[in-house]
Amino acid sequence: GAVVSQHPSRVICKSGTSVKIECRSLDFQATTMFWYRQFPKKSLMLMATSNEGSKATYEQGVEKDKFLINHASLTLSTLTVTSAHPEDSSFYICSAPPPGLTDTQYFGPGTRLTVL
Amino acid sequence: GENVEQHPSTLSVQEGDSAVIKCTYSDSASNYFPWYKQELGKGPQLIIDIRSNVGEKKDQRIAVTLNKTAKHFSLHITETQPEDSAVYFCAASIGNNDMRFGAGTRLTVKP
Repeated sequence: GAVVSQHPSRVICKSGTSVKIECRSLDFQATTMFWYRQFPKKSLMLMATSNEGSKATYEQGVEKDKFLINHASLTLSTLTVTSAHPEDSSFYICSAPPPGLTDTQYFGPGTRLTVL
Repeated sequence: GENVEQHPSTLSVQEGDSAVIKCTYSDSASNYFPWYKQELGKGPQLIIDIRSNVGEKKDQRIAVTLNKTAKHFSLHITETQPEDSAVYFCAASIGNNDMRFGAGTRLTVKP
C-alpha cells in the first residue's frame, strides 16, 4: 500500500533557528503533497499544498516566508520553519494521494516540533 | 467553503458495545467522505471511506453510512475493543483534495 514517511519524528530547537521537515512517498510518486498543522486535541489545519516543480499554494493566513515548502522531486516535499518561535511548536503532518486516487490522502506519521 | 461538523467530541463505551460518530457537511458538491483514526503521537490512518454514489460501506467491524439528502454521514464501530480507543476524524472533499476535517471524536473503550 501507499506509505508516506516523515523525518524527523520529533525535533527540539532554539528560538530563532530554522527547522526542516521532510515528507517522502516511499513506494509511489506524488506530484502533490499536503502539509497540515495540528494543535493539541485539535483537528488538522491545512497549511499548504506542495506541487512538484512549481510553487506551493498556501492557505489564507499562513505565512509563505515563514513556512517554506519545496517539492523538488516526485517523492519528496520539505517544510522549513524559518526563524522558529515557541508559538510555532506544533505537530506537523504531511499527506499525499495514492496513485490513481486523487481524492484520497494517506498521512505521514507526523513531526512534533518544540521551539524553546 | 465546506464546513464539517462532528459529534460527539468525546465518546466512552464499554468493550463489546457499539460506537457511532456523526458528521454533517455543508457543500452539496462534496462527493468523498473518509474517516481517519489517529492514535496519540501518530499521523491519521485512513480506516474507511465512502463516495457519494453509495449509501453504505462495511469493512469487518466498521461501517459508514451516507445520507446525501440530509448531508450527513456516520461511522459505526461494532464489538468495540480497547485498541479502538483513539481520536476519529471525519472529512469531506469535492474530489480535488480540498479536504475539510471535522473537529474529531475521542473514543474511549473501557475494558
